[in-house]
Amino acid sequence: GAVVSQHPSWVICKSGTSVKIECRSLDFQATTMFWYRQFPKQSLMLMATSNEGSKATYEQGVEKDKFLINHASLTLSTLTVTSAHPEDSSFYICSATYLNTEAFFGQGTRLTVV
Amino acid sequence: ELKVEQNPLFLSMQEGKNYTIYCNYSTTSDRLYWYRQDPGKSLESLFVLLSNGAVKQEGRLMASLDTKARLSTLHITAAVHDLSATYFCAVGSGGSNYKLTFGKGTLLTVNP
Repeated sequence: GAVVSQHPSWVICKSGTSVKIECRSLDFQATTMFWYRQFPKQSLMLMATSNEGSKATYEQGVEKDKFLINHASLTLSTLTVTSAHPEDSSFYICSATYLNTEAFFGQGTRLTVV
Repeated sequence: ELKVEQNPLFLSMQEGKNYTIYCNYSTTSDRLYWYRQDPGKSLESLFVLLSNGAVKQEGRLMASLDTKARLSTLHITAAVHDLSATYFCAVGSGGSNYKLTFGKGTLLTVNP
């Protein structure tokens, strides 16, 4: 099956700094990517939908100025957590789809803000 | 607003036993997904159910979909320890098959 690669797999950053997470589709063109967030022992919550070449659509309650999403190419979307705080510590997972046919999940990024 | 409810949230069972996880959703959808998640890992796709009455089986797991009742089930047959994981159902919404709303997940523990 298709591969979606997330990088980094885990990251520790200091409070107040920004961290960028990459989501790459390795063998297909991802027309749409989705970013999810998962707190420990909880479910996944959709944060935003990212279409190549256009602005991301954020879910209600997600701060677009804090979670910057860029989908500049058909194989790469990035999520930047700006001015991170301990409450932003979470597991972030992307998924990528080509023309809504099938979606593939990245391996996830565990963010810890200290 | 689409809601997806899963039950039970916790399931402890003995090896060799059978059990069913239920997934109810609140709005019309003809596409439902089941995923498995191991601790610290991302999601593994188990089943995609595309139409009313769909039934799919893989090994000891069988999933079904009743779109009229807005209900999907994941049946576990003769559980083994390797099936211990968290299982999520999810439904697409917002005009996209893959803009997913997830249930809360069922933490399955299979004891020897």
